[in-house]
Amino acid sequence: EDQVTQSPEALRLQEGESSSLNCSYTVSGLRGLFWYRQDPGKGPEFLFTLYSAGEEKEKERLKATLTKKESFLHITAPKPEDSATYLCAVQAEGNFNKFYFGSGTKLNVKP
Amino acid sequence: KAGVTQTPRYLIKTRGQQVTLSCSPISGHRSVSWYQQTPGQGLQFLFEYFSETQRNKGNFPGRFSGRQFSNSRSEMNVSTLELGDSALYLCASSLSGRAGGELFFGEGSRLTVL
Repeated sequence: EDQVTQSPEALRLQEGESSSLNCSYTVSGLRGLFWYRQDPGKGPEFLFTLYSAGEEKEKERLKATLTKKESFLHITAPKPEDSATYLCAVQAEGNFNKFYFGSGTKLNVKP
Repeated sequence: KAGVTQTPRYLIKTRGQQVTLSCSPISGHRSVSWYQQTPGQGLQFLFEYFSETQRNKGNFPGRFSGRQFSNSRSEMNVSTLELGDSALYLCASSLSGRAGGELFFGEGSRLTVL
């Protein structure tokens, strides 16, 4: 069965303290791996899509990487406004817009 | 460009009642998906519609149903509400008719069942 596991569940960082979030997955034929950010009371907001092992995407202080079994979201020198829940989702081949989401990592960046 | 709009944003129902939630996708998006988000289970896929046809369905009981209209707007219905149906219901639209492509989410409809 297709499955997504994210770790850690929660992460507290000091402003400027870099770290990484992990997303491990099992899927029968990966179509794409997606990262989203969700703020309290809001819907998830798209960040990145990764399609093949070795691919990397960057946006401001965030960098997403993909291997055959997991993805990492690296946060470099985070700021308090980066505080949010980060969700990872996978889509299997042939599954029309059906995504399996992980339970998320709740990031809290303290000034 | 307007985002995904969901109504109502908040609602309170009692067990046994039914509820209908509405979603207006981003203009030009023909795919609409619905997800249930709870603290314990995270985001779980309910169903996806494209051009008024349900293409995919998650593992939810038949009490959960949906439909899509010719203008791509979508509704989902939950009948005979149970306490466990309390959740944030998220609608997402997508441009691509093919498999793949990012989802654009609305802010959700928060349902409380008493």
